[in-house]
Amino acid sequence: GESVGLHLPTLSVQEGDNSIINCAYSNSASDYFIWYKQESGKGPQFIIDIRSNMDKRQGQRVTVLLNKTVKHLSLQIAATQPGDSAVYFCAEFTSGTYKYIFGTGTRLKVLA
Amino acid sequence: EAGVVQSPRYKIIEKKQPVAFWCNPISGHNTLYWYLQNLGQGPELLIRYENEEAVDDSQLPKDRFSAERLKGVDSTLKIQPAELGDSAVYLCASSLAFGSEDTGELFFGEGSRLTVL
Repeated sequence: GESVGLHLPTLSVQEGDNSIINCAYSNSASDYFIWYKQESGKGPQFIIDIRSNMDKRQGQRVTVLLNKTVKHLSLQIAATQPGDSAVYFCAEFTSGTYKYIFGTGTRLKVLA
Repeated sequence: EAGVVQSPRYKIIEKKQPVAFWCNPISGHNTLYWYLQNLGQGPELLIRYENEEAVDDSQLPKDRFSAERLKGVDSTLKIQPAELGDSAVYLCASSLAFGSEDTGELFFGEGSRLTVL
C-alpha cells in the first residue's frame, strides 16, 4: 500500500552543525510533500512544503529537497539549535484521493 | 488569531467507559480532521470533514467511534466503549480548502491524551 517512511528513527547533531532528515515515499502521484515538527506534548507544527513539480525549496534555516526519481525527500536544517530538538514527520498529499499521509517520524537531538 | 483548540488535554478512564473529545478549529477553516497518534508514530487519519459533511471516514472504527461536526464548526469525537488499545493522543487539525492558499499546511491542536486503564 501507500507509505511514507523514514530511514533514521533518531538523529543526534552537535549544536551549530547542519542536520539532514530523510524520508522515502512510495506514491508517485502525490502533489505535495510536507515537513512537520512536533515538540513533546504539542501537536505537529508545519515547517515547509514542496510541490511535486519542484526540486528544492528554501525557508528560514530550512531547505527541503525532493528527488522524484528515487522518491526521496529530505529536510536540511542549517546551524541546528537546541530549540530544533523535536520529532520531525514527513507527509505527502495526493489531490486525487485527498489523502494526507504521515510517516513514522525522526527524533532530532541537539547536543550542546 | 486563536489556533485549533482541543479539550480535554488529558483523560484517564477505565475500559468500557465512554469518552468524548472536543475541537474548535481555526475560524474560517472548512476542513477539519481527526487523527490518532500512537507513541513514536505519525498521525493516522480517522475522519475528515468538509464543512459539516464527513467526506472520508474510511479509517474510523464505526463500531465504537463516532464523530459529528454540527453547523460545520466545532466537532466532537466519541468512543463508546473505550478499549485498552484506544490509549493514544487524539489530534484535531483544520485547514482551508486544500490548495486555496497554495500550501500543504494543516493546523493542529495540542491533542487530547487518552489513557484507558
